[in-house]
Amino acid sequence: GQNIDQPTEMTATEGAIVQINCTYQTSGFNGLFWYQQHAGEAPTFLSYNVLDGLEEKGRFSSFLSRSKGYSYLLLKELQMKDSASYLCAVTPLGGYQKVTFGIGTKLQVIP
Amino acid sequence: GAVVSQHPSWVICKSGTSVKIECRSLDFQATTMFWYRQFPKQSLMLMATSNEGSKATYEQGVEKDKFLINHASLTLSTLTVTSAHPEDSSFYICSASGTGWGIGTDTQYFGPGTRLTVL
Repeated sequence: GQNIDQPTEMTATEGAIVQINCTYQTSGFNGLFWYQQHAGEAPTFLSYNVLDGLEEKGRFSSFLSRSKGYSYLLLKELQMKDSASYLCAVTPLGGYQKVTFGIGTKLQVIP
Repeated sequence: GAVVSQHPSWVICKSGTSVKIECRSLDFQATTMFWYRQFPKQSLMLMATSNEGSKATYEQGVEKDKFLINHASLTLSTLTVTSAHPEDSSFYICSASGTGWGIGTDTQYFGPGTRLTVL
């Protein structure tokens, strides 16, 4: 099975940097997704890491360590619109079937 | 690319009635579609996975006779909640993965969700 842990809530200041951590324990692992979900809306894709290391996309970066079962999402130059839940999700060996989502980290950006 | 639509965006129905929710991939071929349910302050829970032209695979605890899924084409999947009851009230979200220009391998693209309220 899959077990995913991430903090339930975080608060950060506009313009700052915030790191959202995710640890996972899986019986088989292929890759890890990060999704952003605003309240009452469906998730939107942010990143997908399969290999170890850091991948940067503009203000957002995602890191993966397969050996440690650990990932983080780094948000730079925070904006008020970044207030949302950030979902960590893992895919098993064999690809995208049965993606398992964490409960999500609710990030509140304050002025 | 990778746009997924859902219809309706919200629906209110009486207990005992059936509700159909459509999920469409607008600009790519969705070889696999997924249906999720999300209760307030909880994560997405996978209900079933469907491949075009095949019967859906349901997760443990999900009643296949109550939640009917049809994936008739590479762009359309439907979820029918039969004999809906108040406890079925939830946010239903579909996602799709497949092939097409700009489509990430293994990535699921989500529809906007359907909020179902059963009175």
